Amino acid sequence: GENVEQHPSTLSVQEGDSAVIKCTYSDSASNYFPWYKQELGKRPQLIIDIRSNVGEKKDQRIAVTLNKTAKHFSLHITETQPEDSAVYFCAAGAGSYQLTFGKGTKLSVIP
Amino acid sequence: GAVVSQHPSRVICKSGTSVKIECRSLDFQATTMFWYRQFPKQSLMLMATSNEGSKATYEQGVEKDKFLINHASLTLSTLTVTSAHPEDSSFYICSAILAGGRGTQYFGPGTRLTVL
Repeated sequence: GENVEQHPSTLSVQEGDSAVIKCTYSDSASNYFPWYKQELGKRPQLIIDIRSNVGEKKDQRIAVTLNKTAKHFSLHITETQPEDSAVYFCAAGAGSYQLTFGKGTKLSVIP
Repeated sequence: GAVVSQHPSRVICKSGTSVKIECRSLDFQATTMFWYRQFPKQSLMLMATSNEGSKATYEQGVEKDKFLINHASLTLSTLTVTSAHPEDSSFYICSAILAGGRGTQYFGPGTRLTVL
């Protein structure tokens, strides 16, 4: 089955700086890579996703890059704000839309 | 759009009792729903995939007789934890996929189960 590794597990950045979270996956059949943001005690919220037919996708301050050859994808958050503080999960999936999640990255944005 | 609700939001029960958790897609039809379990400060672990009108598919290591899943309609899936024990205490989250959509999973708010 799929195995998703996510790094780092914790990340602290100064407000206004950029944050990068990286994930690797093992199953070459995976073709869908969403990123979720989860605040404490709340549901995961989809923030951006990318499919294997593109290498990069951007939505305002958030971008995701995908390298299918190397089987890794990354989340980039620019101009971080305190409200970006949360746990971020990457995931990989294919076909039946089942997702395998990474272990999460706790992002802290220091004002 | 694409709102998923769960009920109850939290439940406390005695060991040995059964607890039912409901997952509803409020404004869309969901052919597929997923049930996850999340321990504190850990990731989402898929328990089972629930397809409307058919038996659920359970992940390895998940006891199908303990975690009963029913997906009787396109907007409702239920998870029943039977004969609950303290080790079943966890945060249970469902998600749903929009029928005919791109495969995006929309998550419910979760149910905090505490078994005494």
